[in-house]
Amino acid sequence: GENVEQHPSTLSVQEGDSAVIKCTYSDSASNYFPWYKQELGKGPQLIIDIRSNVGEKKDQRIAVTLNKTAKHFSLHITETQPEDSAVYFCAAFRTGTASKLTFGTGTRLQVTL
Amino acid sequence: IAGITQAPTSQILAAGRRMTLRCTQDMRHNAMYWYRQDLGLGLRLIHYSNTAGTTGKGEVPDGYSVSRANTDDFPLTLASAVPSQTSVYFCASSDSRRGGLYGYTFGSGTRLTVV
Repeated sequence: GENVEQHPSTLSVQEGDSAVIKCTYSDSASNYFPWYKQELGKGPQLIIDIRSNVGEKKDQRIAVTLNKTAKHFSLHITETQPEDSAVYFCAAFRTGTASKLTFGTGTRLQVTL
Repeated sequence: IAGITQAPTSQILAAGRRMTLRCTQDMRHNAMYWYRQDLGLGLRLIHYSNTAGTTGKGEVPDGYSVSRANTDDFPLTLASAVPSQTSVYFCASSDSRRGGLYGYTFGSGTRLTVV
């Protein structure tokens, strides 16, 4: 089955700096890669996703890149703000009725003033 | 109701007791999932259901059971709780008929402590 590794497990940046979280996946047939943000006491929320036919996607201060050859994808947050502090999860998915998302182990991002 | 509702939000349960965690969605999603979240281990799939009337085992199904009598509800039952089942439980749903390429919607979670 699919295996997703996520690094780093914790990340501390100063407000205004950029943050990068990296994930690798094992199943070359995976074709959908969402990112979730989980704030304290809440469930994960989808913040951005990318499909395998796209190399990069951007939404305001967040962007995701995908390298299918190397089987890794990354989340980039620019101009970080305190409200970006949360746990971020990457996930991988392969189209098919029996498929389910496989999650990374999460990155705790702390944005300091 | 908007999205997924989980109940209760938290529970302290004596070991050996039976407990059902409730999950209801109003998005008419065909697929539903139960995950447990433990520190350092991320989200691990317990059970899932691709459509009403069918269920399947995930990564960590032992000690848990589910049923899917209709589209909206997907309860998770712990037949005889043990301390290792102390965790935060999340229910999620997706519309996999569209290829599943639209991510999952998660509930707010149930924090369960087994003592």
